[in-house]
Amino acid sequence: GALVYQYPRRTICKSGTSMRMECQAVGFQATSVAWYRQSPQKTFELIALSTVNSAIKYEQNFTQEKFPISHPNLSFSSMTVLNAYLEDRGLYLCGAREVNQDTQYFGPGTRLLVL
Amino acid sequence: QQKVQQSPESLSVPEGGMASLNCTSSDRNFQYFWWYRQHSGEGPKALMSIFSDGDKKEGRFTAHLNKASLHVSLHIRDSQPSDSALYFCAARNNYAQGLTFGLGTRVSVFP
Repeated sequence: GALVYQYPRRTICKSGTSMRMECQAVGFQATSVAWYRQSPQKTFELIALSTVNSAIKYEQNFTQEKFPISHPNLSFSSMTVLNAYLEDRGLYLCGAREVNQDTQYFGPGTRLLVL
Repeated sequence: QQKVQQSPESLSVPEGGMASLNCTSSDRNFQYFWWYRQHSGEGPKALMSIFSDGDKKEGRFTAHLNKASLHVSLHIRDSQPSDSALYFCAARNNYAQGLTFGLGTRVSVFP
């Protein structure tokens, strides 16, 4: 079946520092990967959508300068939270989808705490 | 304004009972809908998708879509304690690949 792994599962960083998180698809080819942030107040916020061999599309309020994403192949994607502050706290989820399939499969998320 | 709205916020159901969840979209461009379930400490897991008007049944789960009213529902028959979780409705339009989620309904199944 389709599985998505994310690491780390939980991380704590100091305010102003950066943190990289990874997403790996197993059992299918992740032609597109969407990164979301889940917080109690805002449910799932779509950060950006990355499709292999296409430009990464960032949603309003999220930028490449703050959340650079790498999607080098069909099984792996990573995102960095640069210069993290309190408002960046939350559960970061990656949702991967295979070409010609409609459903996104999610990993367990990386929980980011900022001190 | 939340483009995907869910109700109720929370729901308590006796074991063996029926749980009914609702979702309404305010964006007529949304044509594709999913129900996801999220247990504590885990990522959301896709339960089912529904793209056409009418009912879709998968095991104990039945989804219903009415595109004219932009309303989709999820019914869980013979609820089990393991069904206790957060349930999210998600929608997508024809040109976007990312999903728009509702705020979720917390379902608690009690013995």
